[in-house]
Amino acid sequence: DTGVSQDPRHKITKRGQNVTFRCDPISEHNRLYWYRQTLGQGPEFLTYFQNEAQLEKSRLLSDRFSAERPKGSFSTLEIQRTEQGDSAMYLCASSSDVDNSPLHFGNGTRLTVT
Amino acid sequence: AQSVTQPDIHITVSEGASLELRCNYSYGATPYLFWYVQSPGQGLQLLLKYFSGDTLVQGIKGFEAEFKRSQSSFNLRKPSVHWSDAAEYFCAVSGYSSASKIIFGSGTRLSIRP
Repeated sequence: DTGVSQDPRHKITKRGQNVTFRCDPISEHNRLYWYRQTLGQGPEFLTYFQNEAQLEKSRLLSDRFSAERPKGSFSTLEIQRTEQGDSAMYLCASSSDVDNSPLHFGNGTRLTVT
Repeated sequence: AQSVTQPDIHITVSEGASLELRCNYSYGATPYLFWYVQSPGQGLQLLLKYFSGDTLVQGIKGFEAEFKRSQSSFNLRKPSVHWSDAAEYFCAVSGYSSASKIIFGSGTRLSIRP
């Protein structure tokens, strides 16, 4: 068990550029979650996958955001036409299929939009 | 709608002193409750969880929490804090569903006075 891995750790981009983050969950975990965390706040739910199916998206996730998990393993989160308000820590978590099994979080990708 | 309130933004306690972090939740049915800890540069780590049964749950690192349905609270306690406990603590709630997302509070930052 190598834990949840996120790449990159840090990303600095200019407003208007597109960015993509990757998350590799714990290998036997079927569920994968994306959260966003801003300074002084708790993580906010963005979206959730069961295997390759995206089952829920938060209203926080505007049309500029898209997430995929094409083979039910790793996931990507893309933000198009970034805005300064997108600056945050993007957290990925995974869990098993057991009801309410705990989330295992990665260390996150910190995005700074200048 | 689910929500979690952590009324204390920042708490400072002396090393060796006891600790209680407050958490109140709002949920229409039986909640599942969690406490996570986030140290600087680290991912969120699960301290403990409550699903059912004994309302006093034990977690890792000497932490415990008590579920009080009448007060809609799930306060975290530790009898004697260590300098290494300095971190951000998040209370979280989810519903009785195998795919329920977890909703986090805004966190309490704990500082330890030598």
